[in-house]
Amino acid sequence: GAGVSQSPSNKVTEKGKDVELRCDPISGHTALYWYRQSLGQGLEFLIYFQGNSAPDKSGLPSDRFSAERTGGSVSTLTIQRTQQEDSAVYLCASSLIHMTSGVSGRLDEQFFGPGTRLTVL
Amino acid sequence: GESVGLHLPTLSVQEGDNSIINCAYSNSASDYFIWYKQESGKGPQFIIDIRSNMDKRQGQRVTVLLNKTVKHLSLQIAATQPGDSAVYFCAETFYGGATNKLIFGTGTLLAVQP
Repeated sequence: GAGVSQSPSNKVTEKGKDVELRCDPISGHTALYWYRQSLGQGLEFLIYFQGNSAPDKSGLPSDRFSAERTGGSVSTLTIQRTQQEDSAVYLCASSLIHMTSGVSGRLDEQFFGPGTRLTVL
Repeated sequence: GESVGLHLPTLSVQEGDNSIINCAYSNSASDYFIWYKQESGKGPQFIIDIRSNMDKRQGQRVTVLLNKTVKHLSLQIAATQPGDSAVYFCAETFYGGATNKLIFGTGTLLAVQP
């Protein structure tokens, strides 16, 4: 199906190395979100892209984290100098737009990918 | 600060019984709430949502109740099936916000016993 895809599904890296995580949103979705899910925890918002607007980076935990979205489609989350506390599942979600039509009152649904499990040794 | 929490981290029910999963939220400005289901190895999947101008919404076998007075949200699953076994998250957001980023609770593991 044409859902959100993420790669790699699993990544094991050594402390201090850089990693790149990729997200392919659903075609046509203009809004893209990155979340982090630590073991036994809920999802934590990291960053949000909407069209050509400046991204909302308010959830990034440190300046070691950055993300790009090229051509309004694929996004890459980069973690530099990884630390053990960065170990988590990184989830990407996309939605058609971020504002609801207002008719049903339903916010445009965020469709999640399967996530990338990052393990920092 | 903003937070969404769950009363029960684990809920074990018998197949066929009804399940109730509870959630408390603290941000009174939140006006849109969603329940997600997450199966092992998968991303969260939308179940049902509710706006703050409603106190109840029903879907297929699921009902969400919202009590704004005590800032409480619940998910009721009727006739629970083994396929309902998963972690359930509540999430909140502010409808008029710039990003509609979701604030998630820590999750409740629902275990359905055959």
